[in-house]
Amino acid sequence: GAVVSQHPSRVICKSGTSVKIECRSLDFQATTMFWYRQFPKQSLMLMATSNEGSKATYEQGVEKDKFLINHASLTLSTLTVTSAHPEDSSFYICSALPGTGAHGADTQYFGPGTRLTVL
Amino acid sequence: GEDVEQSLFLSVREGDSSVINCTYTDSSSTYLYWYKQEPGAGLQLLTYIFSNMDMKQDQRLTVLLNKKDKHLSLRIADTQTGDSAIYFCADRGSTLGRLYFGRGTQLTVWP
Repeated sequence: GAVVSQHPSRVICKSGTSVKIECRSLDFQATTMFWYRQFPKQSLMLMATSNEGSKATYEQGVEKDKFLINHASLTLSTLTVTSAHPEDSSFYICSALPGTGAHGADTQYFGPGTRLTVL
Repeated sequence: GEDVEQSLFLSVREGDSSVINCTYTDSSSTYLYWYKQEPGAGLQLLTYIFSNMDMKQDQRLTVLLNKKDKHLSLRIADTQTGDSAIYFCADRGSTLGRLYFGRGTQLTVWP
């Protein structure tokens, strides 16, 4: 149980285009999902917290107009990178918080990540 | 925000024990986690420990917590080549669900 999927796993796009990444909790409902960004050989940097039915909370320094987050249902959150540029190339990982479960309400389950390359 | 520190690299021989160390600064931590990341993949939850515990054992994994020194360790017994990965220590902040990660320890297991 507690599986989180991401789609696509890898995307290459041209500079100036927008890319949408989906994060789904497959076997549980998640009122809260998180979006992280990871640079090579670096830790995960929290970008934003996504709550179902409300606006996302962005971390300091993260442009909310560039990284649009929509948490439309209890099993789906999307991250759209608008007008992508080469510096947006990174590994994007989502996680979901079940609220209840064997590991406790606080345990986040992570998706497999999406590798974004902007040419 | 809270700081979480880990050593960056650890190399061991297959069959030996591995010990990965982590320190954190948040005195109000409630949960501390260990995640494993294999190349090109997301994070896999290995184990966690609640702050009122000193030790937790789960098969080959042993977690030790010294709350006074804010020190957490993960011991992997009988380390295998398949254990080679990056291991992240994470501290749950005071906000529900908010995790603070260390930079990760690259564990390399030599046959």
